[in-house]
Amino acid sequence: QVQLVESGGGVVQPGGSLRLSCAPSGFTFSNYDIHWVRQAPGKGLEWVASIRFDGSNKYYADSVEGRFTISRDNSQNTLFLQMNSLRVDDTALYYCAKLSVERHIWGHLDSWGQGTLVTVSS
Amino acid sequence: EIVMTQSPATLSVSPGERATLSCRASQSVSTNLAWFQQKPGQPPRLLVYAASSRATGVPARFSGSGSGTEFTLTINSLQSEDFAVYFCHQYNSWPFTFGPGSKVDFK
Repeated sequence: QVQLVESGGGVVQPGGSLRLSCAPSGFTFSNYDIHWVRQAPGKGLEWVASIRFDGSNKYYADSVEGRFTISRDNSQNTLFLQMNSLRVDDTALYYCAKLSVERHIWGHLDSWGQGTLVTVSS
Repeated sequence: EIVMTQSPATLSVSPGERATLSCRASQSVSTNLAWFQQKPGQPPRLLVYAASSRATGVPARFSGSGSGTEFTLTINSLQSEDFAVYFCHQYNSWPFTFGPGSKVDFK
């Protein structure tokens, strides 16, 4: 059974940093692109970033480019999102989600974690 | 960026009725369109991908249709567990984008 478990969320002041983690199970992590998607309280879904299955390429939303860094350690089966220079409007529930197709860049997001809450507030 | 819009924002229906939700893309996404269901406190659940393919375990009362820029999610004979928010999502081009959601609630 595919599972994704996010952790690392919390309360941080504007300008601060946080590092989120995503621990997968039930599938061969190193064969799949993984995405981060966030949802501000009571709002819709916003794609944040993604990383190729082998870590070779990374993609970011304009809203986080230059502040967030996505990475993965396939030997440790873990995905990360380093978030720097956090702003109040980064407050959201952050989900990691798995792409549906092995070793492919295109496809739908078929499995999601429960999310980890990031609150940016002074 | 492809902008996704959904209508209606809220649909009030009674159990047993049919719900029809619409999603429109600002440019063609071919059939690279998914639908998700989200209930309070839960992550999105994949219902439909490739515009019309039901995900594993999704009841047959859920059906998707459309291509290009116009898409529809139909829920036949609504059950109590179907009252939720539904999002459409295009994965045809970067960045991936989502619609604002349609809420299906009790009439």
